[in-house]
Amino acid sequence: GDSVTQMEGPVTLSEEAFLTINCTYTATGYPSLFWYVQYPGEGLQLLLKATKADDKGSNKGFEATYRKETTSFHLEKGSVQVSDSAVYFCALSEVGNQFYFGTGTSLTVIP
Amino acid sequence: GAVVSQHPSRVICKSGTSVKIECRSLDFQATTMFWYRQFPKQSLMLMATSNEGSKATYEQGVEKDKFLINHASLTLSTLTVTSAHPEDSSFYICSAGAQGIQTQYFGPGTRLLVL
Repeated sequence: GDSVTQMEGPVTLSEEAFLTINCTYTATGYPSLFWYVQYPGEGLQLLLKATKADDKGSNKGFEATYRKETTSFHLEKGSVQVSDSAVYFCALSEVGNQFYFGTGTSLTVIP
Repeated sequence: GAVVSQHPSRVICKSGTSVKIECRSLDFQATTMFWYRQFPKQSLMLMATSNEGSKATYEQGVEKDKFLINHASLTLSTLTVTSAHPEDSSFYICSAGAQGIQTQYFGPGTRLLVL
């Protein structure tokens, strides 16, 4: 079945450091891939998405490229800020709209 | 993106009482709504999927008689936690989707605390 494996946290970085959060997936078809962010006490917000192989999703300085050959969708940001501290979830969705989420990676950025 | 609201955002209740949580899609018609549960520091666990006008489909291990889901219209789904117990305390999140849109829009979540 479909599944998402996400890098375990927590991750602690200094401000302006480079961020990578790894995500790999298993799917039977051709899923869309997503990164969601959850700030403390809030629901999930869509950060970025990619719907087909080699697509790059980007938003707020974050990027992720849909790599079919490595079944990966790693999240990157060149220079993190304190305000990026949150939990990040990788997810996939195939036809029928059911989502499969990774376990989440907690990021803390210290000044 | 589309807006999904949840009400209430936080509820505290006594053990044995029932609690209803509403999920509304504010600017689109949601043919499908999903209910998730999230334990502290864990990922979202899909509880059930509901399609407007039909019975919800529950995931394995989720008690359908305890977690009643109604999706009576294209903009409203409700989750009722019946006879709540402390172990039902959790963060409940709904999301809404529509045919042809391979994205779900998430509500802000409802934090339930059962004393």
